[in-house]
Amino acid sequence: AQSVTQPDIHITVSEGASLELRCNYSYGATPYLFWYVQSPGQGLQLLLKYFSGDTLVQGIKGFEAEFKRSQSSFNLRKPSVHWSDAAEYFCAVGPPGLAGNTPLVFGKGTRLSVIA
Amino acid sequence: KAGVTQTPRYLIKTRGQQVTLSCSPISGHRSVSWYQQTPGQGLQFLFEYFSETQRNKGNFPGRFSGRQFSNSRSEMNVSTLELGDSALYLCASRVETNQPQHFGDGTRLSIL
Repeated sequence: AQSVTQPDIHITVSEGASLELRCNYSYGATPYLFWYVQSPGQGLQLLLKYFSGDTLVQGIKGFEAEFKRSQSSFNLRKPSVHWSDAAEYFCAVGPPGLAGNTPLVFGKGTRLSVIA
Repeated sequence: KAGVTQTPRYLIKTRGQQVTLSCSPISGHRSVSWYQQTPGQGLQFLFEYFSETQRNKGNFPGRFSGRQFSNSRSEMNVSTLELGDSALYLCASRVETNQPQHFGDGTRLSIL
């Protein structure tokens, strides 16, 4: 069965420090991969996606993620965190081409706190 | 372009009642999916509609139902509400199957 694991429930970083959020997945084929961010009281906003091609993908708000097939990972990174980045981050996977009737599978999320 | 709109934003109901939530997708998006989000279970898929047809359904009891209209707007209904139905209900739309989903801000449902 498809699954997504975000090992870190809560991470605290200092403003200006670098950030890496981990995501590991279990899937039969190379899936489509996504990172979403959710601020308090809001819905989910798409940060970036990986469908195919270059394994390093750039997203909005200065985020990037790297797909590593050998490790079944899709970790999210940001070189310098801003206080406004404090939010919950979700990794999600879907079938190649997002085809058929298979919905996205989401990880449990990682809550990011940013301190001065 | 307007985003996904969910109404109402907040609802308070009591056990045994029923509730209807509404979702207006982004213009041109034909697929609408519903998710339940709780602190304990995270994001759980409820169902997806595409061109007025339910295309997929998650593992929820029959008390949870939905429909989609010809203008792609969707409604979700929960009957005989239970305390455990308290959650944030999120709607997401996408233009085609092979495109990412865009989420609304959700409806916060509280059951007393």
